[in-house]
Amino acid sequence: QVQLQESGPGLVKPSETLSLTCTVSGGSISSYYWSWIRQPPGKTLEWIGYIYYSGSTNYNPSLRSRVTISVDTSKDQFSLKLSSVTAADTAIYYCARVSDVYNPTTYFDYWGQGTLVTVSS
Amino acid sequence: DIQMTQSPSTLSASVGDRVTITCRASQSISIWLAWYQQKPGKAPKLLIYRASSLQSGVPSRFSGSGSGTEFTLTISSLQPDDFATYYCQQYNSNPPITFGPGTKVDIK
Repeated sequence: QVQLQESGPGLVKPSETLSLTCTVSGGSISSYYWSWIRQPPGKTLEWIGYIYYSGSTNYNPSLRSRVTISVDTSKDQFSLKLSSVTAADTAIYYCARVSDVYNPTTYFDYWGQGTLVTVSS
Repeated sequence: DIQMTQSPSTLSASVGDRVTITCRASQSISIWLAWYQQKPGKAPKLLIYRASSLQSGVPSRFSGSGSGTEFTLTISSLQPDDFATYYCQQYNSNPPITFGPGTKVDIK
């Protein structure tokens, strides 16, 4: 059974960079696409972007200028960096596996439990 | 971006009720729609993909239908474990993938 676990600081100051890591267990990170998705408190979900185990990426145009997703296959981890954060970036951040191994922008079959990141001074 | 809407935003129902949630897309997305269930403090759980395909392990009381711009999620007989918020997600036109605003199913 594939499991995903997010980790990283729960509090980030405005204008700084949010950094999170997702660790995949129970299966290899290889051969799949992996995504980050966020959910502001009480609101709906927003797709941030995906990465393939090979390193290819694609991002939501609304966040593209501030987002970097990277992968470390030796550790079965992928990471999210979001720069120049503001209060609007306060959200629960989820990592998730893309179900379709051939199409990176489909639906998500495994999710991490989520981690709340608050942007505040 | 393709905008997704859901109705109703909140639905009050009783155990045993048949429940239907509607999701509409701002343009045709063929059958490229998924449904998720989310409980408070938990991650979303995939229920339906490709508009009507049931994810492995999901009870058969859940079903999905529709194509183009209008879709429905039906729970044939609401169970206590089904009180949750339900989201639709389109993946026809991307990036970006987009989600609906959610429908909360609570106890009448």
